[in-house]
Amino acid sequence: AQSVAQPEDQVNVAEGNPLTVKCTYSVSGNPYLFWYVQYPNRGLQFLLKYITGDNLVKGSYGFEAEFNKSQTSFHLKKPSALVSDSALYFCAVRDENAGNMLTFGGGTRLMVKP
Amino acid sequence: NAGVTQTPKFRILKIGQSMTLQCAQDMNHNYMYWYRQDPGMGLKLIYYSVGAGITDKGEVPNGYNVSRSTTEDFPLRLELAAPSQTSVYFCASSYSSLLDTQYFGPGTRLTVL
Repeated sequence: AQSVAQPEDQVNVAEGNPLTVKCTYSVSGNPYLFWYVQYPNRGLQFLLKYITGDNLVKGSYGFEAEFNKSQTSFHLKKPSALVSDSALYFCAVRDENAGNMLTFGGGTRLMVKP
Repeated sequence: NAGVTQTPKFRILKIGQSMTLQCAQDMNHNYMYWYRQDPGMGLKLIYYSVGAGITDKGEVPNGYNVSRSTTEDFPLRLELAAPSQTSVYFCASSYSSLLDTQYFGPGTRLTVL
């Protein structure tokens, strides 16, 4: 079975500082990994994904994520946080052997303070 | 393009009532999905469709039904509402596979009392 964990319910960071939102996964085959962001009272918006290739994936709004197979992680990063980055972030995984289903993590709330 | 639209935005149901959540997309996407999001939880897949006339169960299908008569529309039916179905419901679509970016609607907040 595929699963994904976001170990932090909330991450607090000061504006201008780097941010990291953690995600670990468990799959039996190769993973396909995604990050989505949710702003208040809105649907989820796609940030980036890893399917294959370069382990460092660049996405929207200056975000990037690094696929680490040995640590089964796909942490989301940004070099310099903005107050407007404050939102709920979801990591999702699909196991290549698991059919047509994405499994989402519980979400991490990012709070960027001025 | 309007993207993915959902109606209604809010609804309160009494136990045992039924209702249909509407979802439409104008991007000519083949794949469509229904998720529910409970407080503090990630999204759970209820049903999905890979094209008109084809639907399949997701992780939490009990208590729900879907149909896909057109590429654009993917309604979700609750037949006998229960308090456990209190949640925020999101519809999403993607072009050709689960690996494609999913585009989400704004959600429907449903309360069953």
